[in-house]
Amino acid sequence: GQNIDQPTEMTATEGAIVQINCTYQTSGFNGLFWYQQHAGEAPTFLSYNVLDGLEEKGRFSSFLSRSKGYSYLLLKELQMKDSASYLCAVMDSNYQLIWGAGTKLIIKP
Amino acid sequence: GAVVSQHPSWVICKSGTSVKIECRSLDFQATTMFWYRQFPKQSLMLMATSNEGSKATYEQGVEKDKFLINHASLTLSTLTVTSAHPEDSSFYICSARGDTDTGELFFGEGSRLTVL
Repeated sequence: GQNIDQPTEMTATEGAIVQINCTYQTSGFNGLFWYQQHAGEAPTFLSYNVLDGLEEKGRFSSFLSRSKGYSYLLLKELQMKDSASYLCAVMDSNYQLIWGAGTKLIIKP
Repeated sequence: GAVVSQHPSWVICKSGTSVKIECRSLDFQATTMFWYRQFPKQSLMLMATSNEGSKATYEQGVEKDKFLINHASLTLSTLTVTSAHPEDSSFYICSARGDTDTGELFFGEGSRLTVL
C-alpha cells in the first residue's frame, strides 16, 4: 500500500531551527509537496521537490532523496507564526496526491 | 498565484437538511477540482475528484448519493451534502490544480459544516 510517515508533533523554540522529516512508500513518484496549515484554515503551498537535493526559499528549505524515499522541511529563525501543521504529500504515478497525517509544530517563546 | 474561492466559510444546519458548498477558480480554468474532508487533528481525506462536464470520481467509502458533486463549468464545482447528519460535521476543502509546471494545488478557504 501507499504510505506517508511524518512525526505527529514537534516543539521548538522561537528563533531556533527545526527539521520535519517525511518518509514515503508510493506507487511511482511525480514529486513531493510540503504544505502549511494553520488551525481552521486551508493548506498553503510551501515547496515542491521532484529532483534530489535541497530547495531553499527564504527561511524554509526542503530536501529530497528519492532513493531513500525521504524528505525533510527545514525551518530557520522560527517565528511564533510558524506554529501550524505541516503536511507532506507525494504525487504518485497516477498524479494523485497521497497525504501524510501532518506534523503539528509548536513554537515556544 | 492562482486563487480558489470557497463559499460559505461556515454553515450550521439542522439534521436532515441539505447544504451546498461552492468552489470557484477565480483567475484560471480548472478542468479538475478535488474535494477533501478533514476531521479535527487529522489529515486531509480525498473524497472525490470533480471533472468538468463529466461525473465525479469518488474515493472508496464515500457515498456518491450523499455527497453530490457538480462541475458544470471550468470555474465552478459544487458539493452538496444531502440529508446531513451530525457525523457529517467536518471541515470541507476544495482544491484545483493550477496551470503551473509543478502541478501545485491551490486550495479554497475551506467550509466548516456543523450539523445539529
